[in-house]
Amino acid sequence: QKEVEQNSGPLSVPEGAIASLNCTYSDRGSQSFFWYRQYSGKSPELIMFIYSNGDKEDGRFTAQLNKASQYVSLLIRDSQPSDSATYLCAVKGSGGSNYKLTFGKGTLLTVNP
Amino acid sequence: GAVVSQHPSRVICKSGTSVKIECRSLDFQATTMFWYRQFPKQSLMLMATSNEGSKATYEQGVEKDKFLINHASLTLSTLTVTSAHPEDSSFYICSASSGSGGRAQETQYFGPGTRLLVL
Repeated sequence: QKEVEQNSGPLSVPEGAIASLNCTYSDRGSQSFFWYRQYSGKSPELIMFIYSNGDKEDGRFTAQLNKASQYVSLLIRDSQPSDSATYLCAVKGSGGSNYKLTFGKGTLLTVNP
Repeated sequence: GAVVSQHPSRVICKSGTSVKIECRSLDFQATTMFWYRQFPKQSLMLMATSNEGSKATYEQGVEKDKFLINHASLTLSTLTVTSAHPEDSSFYICSASSGSGGRAQETQYFGPGTRLLVL
């Protein structure tokens, strides 16, 4: 059973702070990793994806990947109240299931004004 | 770019009726479309994967005769919930990928979802 684990939170940070979201995965052969944001009652929207070890930055968002530790994280700098949402980590499978995404349960982030 | 639409956004039906949900890729050709279901405070669960012109691949535990999927063109996939019951009430979300989804860089773009309530 391929699993993706996230701390369900809620994670609460003050406006302007850095929010750090973490995700671990069980399938060592996984190739690519995605972060989605989901507002309450809405569908997920893609924030960014990463498939090489190291950091990938896009505006206020930085994804970090460590395949040896099977760990991926998302940092949100200068957090804004509009960032308050559930953040879903998704991992693309390996081998015959390499087209599927397995989602974690999500971390609820609250940014306090 | 990469816009996916779903229709209807919300549907209420009586138990025993069938409901069809459409998923369209508006600005790209979707070789592969995915159907997910999400219950309150739960994560997305993949129901099935469909490729244009071929039969859908269903995940374990998903009844193919109850959830009929048709992917007739590169821009349209439909999910029909047959003989719906209250336990089928959920948030149904489709996603689309321009490729087969197997390449590391290929992402899935989600539609806005359809909220189904079966009375």
